[in-house]
Amino acid sequence: ETGVTQTPRHLVMGMTNKKSLKCEQHLGHNAMYWYKQSAKKPLELMFVYSLEERVENNSVPSRFSPECPNSSHLFLHLHTLQPEDSALYLCASSSRTSSYEQYFGPGTRLTVT
Amino acid sequence: GIQVEQSPPDLILQEGANSTLRCNFSDSVNNLQWFHQNPWGQLINLFYIPSGTKQNGRLSATTVATERYSLLYISSSQTTDSGVYFCAVNDDYKLSFGAGTTVTVRA
Repeated sequence: ETGVTQTPRHLVMGMTNKKSLKCEQHLGHNAMYWYKQSAKKPLELMFVYSLEERVENNSVPSRFSPECPNSSHLFLHLHTLQPEDSALYLCASSSRTSSYEQYFGPGTRLTVT
Repeated sequence: GIQVEQSPPDLILQEGANSTLRCNFSDSVNNLQWFHQNPWGQLINLFYIPSGTKQNGRLSATTVATERYSLLYISSSQTTDSGVYFCAVNDDYKLSFGAGTTVTVRA
């Protein structure tokens, strides 16, 4: 695998379900990001992890819970979501020691029913 | 935060045409990236260009940091160029995205 990978690519879940999104980067980076992209809206930054420490949390509801166990993996745990949470969730990574050029994964398209 | 404005919001091209997309930003930045989002949602890195000019095949980009704008040129457009083009800037680790330019290339 190369670059940034995300699984699953598509997810349909009910409002009472619990699920997790997974992101893995193979670029040797030390910062990872979760973004949300809703229809007809710009990308919204949700969380940033730098050296496995959360450094940004943009007023995201607690039904979204991130986890960064090491510099290569990032998870987004989902529970009791709302239909308005349906969106494309994108993971990205970058280096904090050289340029901050970010590379994105293919995204998980989430539908909450 | 830094404000990023992209123009035009929508662009329809005939295959083979050339076009210019513009990105204006409100403050000094250390980094600027151009992305192409394909119909499946994947954001593909086109250029990392905090200043100067770069070329990659039929695409080129110029950033004039002192005047706070960047231009993306598409030459001899092809249908595979269709999608949304985003400009994003940052002064540290946090990227601020523009709303994008939706490009449709017709055969």
